[in-house]
Amino acid sequence: DGGITQSPKYLFRKEGQNVTLSCEQNLNHDAMYWYRQDPGQGLRLIYYSQIVNDFQKGDIAEGYSVSREKKESFPLTVTSAQKNPTAFYLCASSIDNGIYGYTFGSGTRLTVV
Amino acid sequence: GNSVTQMEGPVTLSEEAFLTINCTYTATGYPSLFWYVQYPGEGLQLLLKATKADDKGSNKGFEATYRKETTSFHLEKGSVQVSDSAVYFCALISSGSARQLTFGSGTQLTVLP
Repeated sequence: DGGITQSPKYLFRKEGQNVTLSCEQNLNHDAMYWYRQDPGQGLRLIYYSQIVNDFQKGDIAEGYSVSREKKESFPLTVTSAQKNPTAFYLCASSIDNGIYGYTFGSGTRLTVV
Repeated sequence: GNSVTQMEGPVTLSEEAFLTINCTYTATGYPSLFWYVQYPGEGLQLLLKATKADDKGSNKGFEATYRKETTSFHLEKGSVQVSDSAVYFCALISSGSARQLTFGSGTQLTVLP
């Protein structure tokens, strides 16, 4: 079955550490996205990539970094510069730049301890 | 810019009640409109979509009609079930150059038996 796989489902980070969240898709989608969701709030776009080796900042890119070396993979690194990283992170992908909607992964819950 | 305004929640209904969740939008060009559903601890699932004016999207008993004259895409269901309890997000993507999904803030629905 085609889909998006995010791992791990739960992640704990100590203050000052960088962590990387994995996102892999086997849908042959060109575009991939990272969103952050805080409790009781909507989704905010962190980064997106429309083709391999290219990505753009979203609305809240500070403290985050991404890479897109392969079409299937779009990992997100939460750096120590991100002051409040505890949140639910969602990865998505789309074909045709999203005109028919996005497919979402099941999310990674990151907690700073 | 694009924006989506959703009915404030939370919404609590009894089983078999009629559901309406209001959604209005502001967009450039001719947007495609979507409803996504998020169950607790999970990612977003596409519930239904409409890509042009007067289209009706439908799925699992839910319906929404793309009304260009009122810039609205209200979600309705004739008889809700306990299993419909979730957060519902209205979203749009415009035909402009920066094709990204713009989400509403989400509406929490709780259905009581």
